[in-house]
Amino acid sequence: EPEVTQTPSHQVTQMGQEVILRCVPISNHLYFYWYRQILGQKVEFLVSFYNNEISEKSEIFDDQFSVERPDGSNFTLKIRSTKLEDSAMYFCASSELGQGRGYTFGSGTRLTVV
Amino acid sequence: KQEVTQIPAALSVPEGENLVLNCSFTDSAIYNLQWFRQDPGKGLTSLLLIQSSQREQTSGRLNASLDKSSGRSTLYIAASQPGDSATYLCAGGGGSEKLVFGKGTKLTVNP
Repeated sequence: EPEVTQTPSHQVTQMGQEVILRCVPISNHLYFYWYRQILGQKVEFLVSFYNNEISEKSEIFDDQFSVERPDGSNFTLKIRSTKLEDSAMYFCASSELGQGRGYTFGSGTRLTVV
Repeated sequence: KQEVTQIPAALSVPEGENLVLNCSFTDSAIYNLQWFRQDPGKGLTSLLLIQSSQREQTSGRLNASLDKSSGRSTLYIAASQPGDSATYLCAGGGGSEKLVFGKGTKLTVNP
């Protein structure tokens, strides 16, 4: 069964450093997403991406965050200057249908900011 | 603004029991409602998707219902097994790209 692949599975970074989280969505999917889950909290929407541009973003997704699809297969989330409160599990997802339907999630990247 | 609540936060049952997980949402203009399963340290696995025109969906031992007027969805698990132990999340979609998640119900099925 097709999978969404995320790398790395765990990343530790120092506060103020830039991090890039990587995702390979399912090849025929057109909608891409990033969500995060702070330990013990709800899964929260960050951003959706369609047709090479952001289609929707949450209040969390401020100027410190950016997304990119640098080639035909990868989808990345960049955090420019990490803060302690960015520590969370970050999930990438993709969908063929959009509008919240038919999501496939990756297994996540645990980001720890020290 | 859509808010999703799940009760109970945790549930422990003996193997073989039928059980119901509850999810409530504040905005009845919900476009779809999904149930996911999350295993520790893993991603989210989609279980069932109920679109706004539907009232329920079934997959194997799982049945999910949606009542938009009361703002509730339930996930029914028949003949529970230890392998069903996980956290179950419900998430509502409002027709945009964003899903709003509940905090989940942690289910433990004891052999």
